[in-house]
Amino acid sequence: DGGITQSPKYLFRKEGQNVTLSCEQNLNHDAMYWYRQDPGQGLRLIYYSQIVNDFQKGDIAEGYSVSREKKESFPLTVTSAQKNPTAFYLCASSEGATGPTYEQYFGPGTRLTVT
Amino acid sequence: GENVEQHPSTLSVQEGDSAVIKCTYSDSASNYFPWYKQELGKRPQLIIDIRSNVGEKKDQRIAVTLNKTAKHFSLHITETQPEDSAVYFCAAWPLNFGNEKLTFGTGTRLTIIP
Repeated sequence: DGGITQSPKYLFRKEGQNVTLSCEQNLNHDAMYWYRQDPGQGLRLIYYSQIVNDFQKGDIAEGYSVSREKKESFPLTVTSAQKNPTAFYLCASSEGATGPTYEQYFGPGTRLTVT
Repeated sequence: GENVEQHPSTLSVQEGDSAVIKCTYSDSASNYFPWYKQELGKRPQLIIDIRSNVGEKKDQRIAVTLNKTAKHFSLHITETQPEDSAVYFCAAWPLNFGNEKLTFGTGTRLTIIP
């Protein structure tokens, strides 16, 4: 299960505070992704990055921000503008659409609770 | 953008029986279809995938079929075992196009009854 890590495993914040979730990979993957997982809604893409210093919005980017300053790291900031931030957040990485494989490797996830 | 629908949302089968999970996709440009398994408390992991130039792929007790015309693909698990209990996600990806991201289905919770 090594290769992609997320920290912390559990995170608690007060409403109105920004919080940053960490994601690191040592797989030398070009592409990295952030997903949000809610019961019954599957995996919804927040942001993705295909290369360093570049990223694109996913399907539910509002209230979130990211950076990709290093190939190994793709931190996600949940801002106070996110209306319903309590969720399980999964980071993933892959070699990208250029392959030769397309498998996404997931981190263990961070469960964020905002009260 | 791509839309992936997955059915059923929950499925219970007797141990030893077969299980089938079905997905449909909307974007005809999608050409890569993976299936991920997420056991309770664990991260999703790829179990099988198929490219659009192939109609069927099998790996031991797991198989995936693809009907490009109908934009439909399915996961088949035979001789189910208790360790098959998990949530399964299908996904679609239009490789080689600008929108280079996976779109996941909403998941199927499979329970194997001993």
